[in-house]
Amino acid sequence: EIVLTQSPGTLSLSPGERATLSCRASQGVSSSYLAWYQQKPGQAPRLLISGASSRATGIPDRFSGSGSGTDFTLTISRLEPEDFAVYYCQQYGSSPVFGGGTKVEIK
Amino acid sequence: QLQLQESGPGLVKPSETLSLTCTVSGGSISSSSYYWGWIRQPPGKGLEWIGSIYYSGSTYYNPSLKSRVTISVDTSKNQFSLKLSSVTATDTAVYYCARIAVAGRNFQHWGQGTLVTVSS
Repeated sequence: EIVLTQSPGTLSLSPGERATLSCRASQGVSSSYLAWYQQKPGQAPRLLISGASSRATGIPDRFSGSGSGTDFTLTISRLEPEDFAVYYCQQYGSSPVFGGGTKVEIK
Repeated sequence: QLQLQESGPGLVKPSETLSLTCTVSGGSISSSSYYWGWIRQPPGKGLEWIGSIYYSGSTYYNPSLKSRVTISVDTSKNQFSLKLSSVTATDTAVYYCARIAVAGRNFQHWGQGTLVTVSS
């Protein structure tokens, strides 16, 4: 089974700063099936990025995804107050797997 | 507008069976473009996929839970259901239902989630 490792575990940044989140797979995965989600306290996760780099409907363009093979990145170009949350990557090879999450907190 | 709503008991006794239903509104569960899935999240922890079902009834389960999980679909009611048997305290979690795109295999839409506590 593929394991997704997200780093860092916690990212402490200020509004307006750039956030770079990493998702590394234990073996190569298809970019077509790599997604990113945002989860705020008490809420369900929300799909941000599908196919490694395609923003979901209604997602602001400050969110971008990139990568291929085993290394994928979610970038938030300028953090807004509402962006402080936990972010998960997910891949769907033989079955869906989620990464452990990165918490983006206010510094 | 698509909505998914989980329902079921919030408290289950150890060794018993957890049963939840997800009701889909604003869209058909019989669409060939989607799977329907269950995901859980223990308090303070990450997300774990439990299993998925296609409208035809084809099922896919997490190998680590497969022996205890049954997912079924009722297209006439636009619902799908989860049964998890022989529960223990480690099954305490928020349980989410979600719609999964066949094409991108991502979890597009989620229910609000329901907390199920396993305790005597």
